[in-house]
Amino acid sequence: GAVVSQHPSWVICKSGTSVKIECRSLDFQATTMFWYRQFPKQSLMLMATSNEGSKATYEQGVEKDKFLINHASLTLSTLTVTSAHPEDSSFYICSARDLTSGRQFFGPGTRLTVL
Amino acid sequence: DAKTTQPPSMDCAEGRAANLPCNHSTISGNEYVYWYRQIHSQGPQYIIHGLKNNETNEMASLIITEDRKSSTLILPHATLRDTAVYYCIVRDIQGAQKLVFGQGTRLTINP
Repeated sequence: GAVVSQHPSWVICKSGTSVKIECRSLDFQATTMFWYRQFPKQSLMLMATSNEGSKATYEQGVEKDKFLINHASLTLSTLTVTSAHPEDSSFYICSARDLTSGRQFFGPGTRLTVL
Repeated sequence: DAKTTQPPSMDCAEGRAANLPCNHSTISGNEYVYWYRQIHSQGPQYIIHGLKNNETNEMASLIITEDRKSSTLILPHATLRDTAVYYCIVRDIQGAQKLVFGQGTRLTINP
């Protein structure tokens, strides 16, 4: 199956700093990528939909100025958590939709811990 | 909001078939039923999807009722590695809709 990678797999940062998470589709092109967040013992919550070459669409309640998304190419989307605080500590998962098949594949996730 | 209903948890003995039910009574004619699973601390993994016919692949079988209002995912010979949260999701054929996750079923395979 198609592969989606995320980097880093985990990160620990101090409160107030910004953290960038990369999501790459390794063997397919994705005009659309999705960013999810998952807190312990909860389901995945969609944060935003990232479209190549255009602005991301954010779900209700997700601050676009805090969670900056850039989708500069058909294989790369980035999520930057700005001025991170302990309540932003979570498991962030990206997903990419294959341009050809329409199927959606998930990355392995990035665990963010803000001290 | 998720359009599916699943039991919160299930147990199954290793080597037995695990049958996971899902209700999707409001499914529309252009929506597929997708199944994903999430093993602890990993990203979701695609399992199978179907429209109205039963489907089978190397991982599982999907049985969809004739009225399409419910389905069952079958893991024919469950192993300990199948312990995970299983999500049933409905989405349109073109894939234009977002994948919205409900609470899923936490399946525990017991030795």
